[in-house]
Amino acid sequence: AQKVTQAQTEISVVEKEDVTLDCVYETRDTTYYLFWYKQPPSGELVFLIRRNSFDEQNEISGRYSWNFQKSTSSFNFTITASQVVDSAVYFCALSEARNYGQNFVFGPGTRLSVLP
Amino acid sequence: EPEVTQTPSHQVTQMGQEVILRCVPISNHLYFYWYRQILGQKVEFLVSFYNNEISEKSEIFDDQFSVERPDGSNFTLKIRSTKLEDSAMYFCASSPGPETQYFGPGTRLLVL
Repeated sequence: AQKVTQAQTEISVVEKEDVTLDCVYETRDTTYYLFWYKQPPSGELVFLIRRNSFDEQNEISGRYSWNFQKSTSSFNFTITASQVVDSAVYFCALSEARNYGQNFVFGPGTRLSVLP
Repeated sequence: EPEVTQTPSHQVTQMGQEVILRCVPISNHLYFYWYRQILGQKVEFLVSFYNNEISEKSEIFDDQFSVERPDGSNFTLKIRSTKLEDSAMYFCASSPGPETQYFGPGTRLLVL
């Protein structure tokens, strides 16, 4: 069975601090995808990144970076030099691909507050 | 850039009433999904739809729920007799293949 754990329920940082959001997953499949979504106060889900299980390269996109460690089943997300606009709930998600589509299993989310 | 759209953005209904939530997936996508998020909780999978039929559903998706793709563009979620606990944000998503899902902005449903 799939499971995603985000141990940090809430994090508060001061603007310009770096912050890392943790994600640990469980799956029996060898082929799977990992995602991060941002949910700002307005409520929509904003796609940030997708990683497949065969690609362990870390990725950087501007102030965002992701660290995928298959050995520890973790897919952590770091925001460098955080800004107030980064305040949101961040969800990590896992899917096991099937030919007929997939369903996502979301983690419980981490609420990030960036204070000015 | 194409987007998934959902209507209405907010809906208030009385317990026991039927509601239909509408979604327009991205036009060349083949896979469609509904999720719900009870306030303050995580996003939960309800159902996936491919090739004009349900491909997978969760235990939440009981007989009160149904989905339909009545024409080439809309994808609807019907709740036959709403309960208080159906109050949630409902997200539609679509994907071109078994990969990244693109979510709509959600419909906030409040059952009184």
